Amino acid sequence: AQSVTQPDIHITVSEGASLELRCNYSYGATPYLFWYVQSPGQGLQLLLKYFSGDTLVQGIKGFEAEFKRSQSSFNLRKPSVHWSDAAEYFCAVGVVDSNYQLIWGAGTKLIIKP
Amino acid sequence: GAVVSQHPSRVICKSGTSVKIECRSLDFQATTMFWYRQFPKQSLMLMATSNEGSKATYEQGVEKDKFLINHASLTLSTLTVTSAHPEDSSFYICSARDQATGQSSYNEQFFGPGTRLTVL
Repeated sequence: AQSVTQPDIHITVSEGASLELRCNYSYGATPYLFWYVQSPGQGLQLLLKYFSGDTLVQGIKGFEAEFKRSQSSFNLRKPSVHWSDAAEYFCAVGVVDSNYQLIWGAGTKLIIKP
Repeated sequence: GAVVSQHPSRVICKSGTSVKIECRSLDFQATTMFWYRQFPKQSLMLMATSNEGSKATYEQGVEKDKFLINHASLTLSTLTVTSAHPEDSSFYICSARDQATGQSSYNEQFFGPGTRLTVL
């Protein structure tokens, strides 16, 4: 069955420190992978996506993610976090069916320590 | 490009009344729109998929008579919560899939900003 796992419910990082949010997926075909960010009470903003090609993708706000097929992972990274990065982060896999549905991870809440 | 709007952004209503939420794709045509519900501190839960001109497909456990979805045009879908109760209070998010495949191998969804529904 298709699924997305974000093993960390929440992560606390000091401002200026590096960040890595984990995402593992289970999908039998070529995965289309997404990371979204949601600030409190707000909608979703696409950070980056992977469809094909270079497995290291760059996104907005200084984020990047690396697709590792052998590990079924698509971890999100940022070298130095800012207090404004505090938010909920969702990983998703796009299913190639008639409607191109998304399978969502449970989300990881990022807390920034001053 | 690829902007999706939702209206209203927040609504408070009395128990027993109906509430309509609109989802519009502003600069593209969307043959498919999705409606999600998000409970506090949880991920998005897909409620239904609507294709323009046909009946919506509801996910298991979602009451189709309570959550009426209409997708009458390529740029507008509406979700009506009928006879709302406090347990229907939630954050409702719509997304739209661009009809044109363009250069992409995957027709990604574009999300609206969400509607906060509070039922008193």
